Amino acid sequence: DAGITQSPRHKVTETGTPVTLRCHQTENHRYMYWYRQDPGHGLRLIHYSYGVKDTDKGEVSDGYSVSRSKTEDFLLTLESATSSQTSVYFCAIMGGLNTGELFFGEGSRLTVL
Amino acid sequence: RKEVEQDPGPFNVPEGATVAFNCTYSNSASQSFFWYRQDCRKEPKLLMSVYSSGNEDGRFTAQLNRASQYISLLIRDSKLSDSATYLCVVSDNNNDMRFGAGTRLTVKP
Repeated sequence: DAGITQSPRHKVTETGTPVTLRCHQTENHRYMYWYRQDPGHGLRLIHYSYGVKDTDKGEVSDGYSVSRSKTEDFLLTLESATSSQTSVYFCAIMGGLNTGELFFGEGSRLTVL
Repeated sequence: RKEVEQDPGPFNVPEGATVAFNCTYSNSASQSFFWYRQDCRKEPKLLMSVYSSGNEDGRFTAQLNRASQYISLLIRDSKLSDSATYLCVVSDNNNDMRFGAGTRLTVKP
């Protein structure tokens, strides 16, 4: 158990509304990631963080922003949700740079109507 | 062209069968390779890392062919509990891990 929790686990919202997903970890890991998973695409990196207030864009960052004001929390925000952002969102932490192993949260299923 | 490509399957095999999955990658600078397993509606979990010399973990064998840019996963003596989606993961550094779309395996009695 890598001590990662995501909230909310399920959310239905309407186009144009803001949405924030939260990832919380209890083991003081430096690297945290947000991925989205869609059929036929696998997991794609949205943003990642390598420390408090240190973040960078991933492969599919358009329409998303992130913040990390504390080591334990990594927030993903959709400023104005669109139907194309309907997806399952996974937060992950890097278990160790030597192993390259990612530990994932249980996922947040977002539906944008 | 996707950076990491996998046959989506599904692979339907009987218990006890041997099954192999391949994965190709396009970035020749890739340094790290992994297989993850994902059960339906669950998060992915690391199955095994893939080393240049190939490696084995019980019934699972992973191999890497850098010249042809593919990795493989062999599962021997398949169990019902092996039913899952297997994700190929490739990285040129540990902050940019690229996932394949996954290969779905169903093992039947």
